[in-house]
Amino acid sequence: SQQGEEDPQALSIQEGENATMNCSYKTSINNLQWYRQNSGRGLVHLILIRSNEREKHSGRLRVTLDTSKKSSSLLITASRAADTASYFCAVGGKGNKLTFGGGTRVLVKP
Amino acid sequence: NAGVTQTPKFQVLKTGQSMTLQCAQDMNHEYMSWYRQDPGMGLRLIHYSVGAGITDQGEVPNGYNVSRSTTEDFPLRLLSAAPSQTSVYFCASSTTGDNEQFFGPGTRLTVL
Repeated sequence: SQQGEEDPQALSIQEGENATMNCSYKTSINNLQWYRQNSGRGLVHLILIRSNEREKHSGRLRVTLDTSKKSSSLLITASRAADTASYFCAVGGKGNKLTFGGGTRVLVKP
Repeated sequence: NAGVTQTPKFQVLKTGQSMTLQCAQDMNHEYMSWYRQDPGMGLRLIHYSVGAGITDQGEVPNGYNVSRSTTEDFPLRLLSAAPSQTSVYFCASSTTGDNEQFFGPGTRLTVL
C-alpha cells in the first residue's frame, strides 16, 4: 500500500506558534495532497505538490516533498484558533486513486 | 454552484435493512468516489467511477453497490446493513482520481 501515514497523531500548540506535521508513504507517487477537516465536516483541499516539486506555498501553509525519503511535511505558520482541525495527507499514484492517511489532530489554544 | 451534495445527512438503520445514499455534483467532473471514515481514522475508498457507466472497486467494497448512469449522480447502495457499516460516508468528485478532490458534507450512518 502507498498509504500516507501522518506524524504526530495529535498536536497542541498556542496561537501564534507554528505547527508542523509529517507524512510518509511507501511507493512512488504522482502527487501528494493535504486536506483539512473541521469537526464533523467534509474535507477541504489545501495544497497539491507534484512528484517533481520540492516545496510549495499557499498563504500560511508550506509543504515540502522529499521523494528520496518518501516523506512530506506541512507547516502552518502563525497558527490561529481557526486552524484547529484534523489534517490529512493523501497520496496520488498509480490507479487514478488517492490513498489517505489517518490524520493529525491539531488543537490551537487561544 | 452547489458543489457536491449528499443526502441524507443522518440515517439510522436496523441490521438487514437496505438504503441508498445519494450524491450529486454540478461541476461536470468525470471522477466520483465514495469513502467511509470511521472514528479517529482517515478515509477509505469504497467505490469510484471515472465516468458515466464506469465503476470500480476501492479498498473496502464489500456490502456496497454503486452505479453511474449520469455524470452528475453517483448513488451508494447498502444491500443489507450491518453494524460494521456504522460510519460517516463522504462522496467526492474531481477531474481525475489523483487530482484535487471536492468533498460533500457527509452522511452519518448508524446501523443498530
